Amino acid sequence: DGGITQSPKYLFRKEGQNVTLSCEQNLNHDAMYWYRQDPGQGLRLIYYSQIVNDFQKGDIAEGYSVSREKKESFPLTVTSAQKNPTAFYLCASSFTRDQPQHFGDGTRLSIL
Amino acid sequence: DQQVKQNSPSLSVQEGRISILNCDYTNSMFDYFLWYKKYPAEGPTFLISISSIKDKNEDGRFTVFLNKSAKHLSLHIVPSQPGDSAVYFCAASAWISGGGADGLTFGKGTHLIIQP
Repeated sequence: DGGITQSPKYLFRKEGQNVTLSCEQNLNHDAMYWYRQDPGQGLRLIYYSQIVNDFQKGDIAEGYSVSREKKESFPLTVTSAQKNPTAFYLCASSFTRDQPQHFGDGTRLSIL
Repeated sequence: DQQVKQNSPSLSVQEGRISILNCDYTNSMFDYFLWYKKYPAEGPTFLISISSIKDKNEDGRFTVFLNKSAKHLSLHIVPSQPGDSAVYFCAASAWISGGGADGLTFGKGTHLIIQP
């Protein structure tokens, strides 16, 4: 079954620690994206990548970093510089911008 | 500054009737629009899209209408079913210089409640 897998579903972090969220897709999509959702808010774009070894900042990239070493994988690191990391993080992928983005089921990150 | 606005946080509709969800945008560069459905603690599921060269797109019970001059789009669900109860997000994208895929700009969502 093709799809996008995000792991873990729930993640807890101590203040001052970096944490990495996993996103893997087997849809053969070229583009991948990370969004953040806060309660009562829409999704906001953190980073996106059109092809391997290339990525661009989205609207709220500060305090986050990404890598795209493989087509299938686009991990997101939430660094200690992110002042308010508690949120629901969603990964998505698509063939091109003219095709719909497909989403994983998200990772909920909480600060202990 | 919100570029995509869904002004109704919630909407209640009787089962079998039509549900109409509205979305307004301010960025005239947006040329591709989508609707997603989302359940709590899950990722959004794509429903239907429309490009700016069209004013209507239909898929089963779902129809999206685009009024470019008013910068307004709407999603019609006919007939509404209990399983349609969810949060619906409107999203848009603009072609960036140099081409290629970019992210979507989302509205804050409308919680649709279908009453039996």
